[in-house]
Amino acid sequence: GAVVSQHPSRVICKSGTSVKIECRSLDFQATTMFWYRQFPKQSLMLMATSNEGSKATYEQGVEKDKFLINHASLTLSTLTVTSAHPEDSSFYICSASPMAGLEAFFGQGTRLTVV
Amino acid sequence: SQQGEEDPQALSIQEGENATMNCSYKTSINNLQWYRQNSGRGLVHLILIRSNEREKHSGRLRVTLDTSKKSSSLLITASRAADTASYFCAAYYPGGSARQLTFGSGTQLTVLP
Repeated sequence: GAVVSQHPSRVICKSGTSVKIECRSLDFQATTMFWYRQFPKQSLMLMATSNEGSKATYEQGVEKDKFLINHASLTLSTLTVTSAHPEDSSFYICSASPMAGLEAFFGQGTRLTVV
Repeated sequence: SQQGEEDPQALSIQEGENATMNCSYKTSINNLQWYRQNSGRGLVHLILIRSNEREKHSGRLRVTLDTSKKSSSLLITASRAADTASYFCAAYYPGGSARQLTFGSGTQLTVLP
């Protein structure tokens, strides 16, 4: 299957700093990628849809100035958590699909801990 | 909310037994997919079933879809300890953003050796 690589897998940062997470589709192009957040023992909640060459679409309740998304190429989307706070600590996962309506492929996830 | 519900939330079985997980959804779907997640990892796609299909097999996995009841089930036969993971159903809804999946609440499966 297609491969989506997410980096870093784990990051610890201090409150007030910013953290960038990368999501790459390794063997296909993706005009759209998705960013999810997952709390322990819970399901994935869609945060935003990353659109290549245009602004991301954020789900209700997600602060766009807090979670900056850049999709500068057909194989790379980045999520930057700005001015991180301990409540931003979570597991963040990205996904992409080679074609519309078919299976989605997920990155390995990033465990963010803000201390 | 279109988010589906899965039951049971947690399931513990002995190795060799079959495990059945159910997923219900609220509105019409284009297709439904099942994913597996090991603790602290990303999701692995298991199987996709289209809205015009009723049953699909892949190895030890069997997925059924009942669109009249808006429900799906995932059966894992002859379970192994390595099947221990969380399992999620996810669906594409017509009218939703292209390629946007909505996930169910998940079932935590524990297979005891």
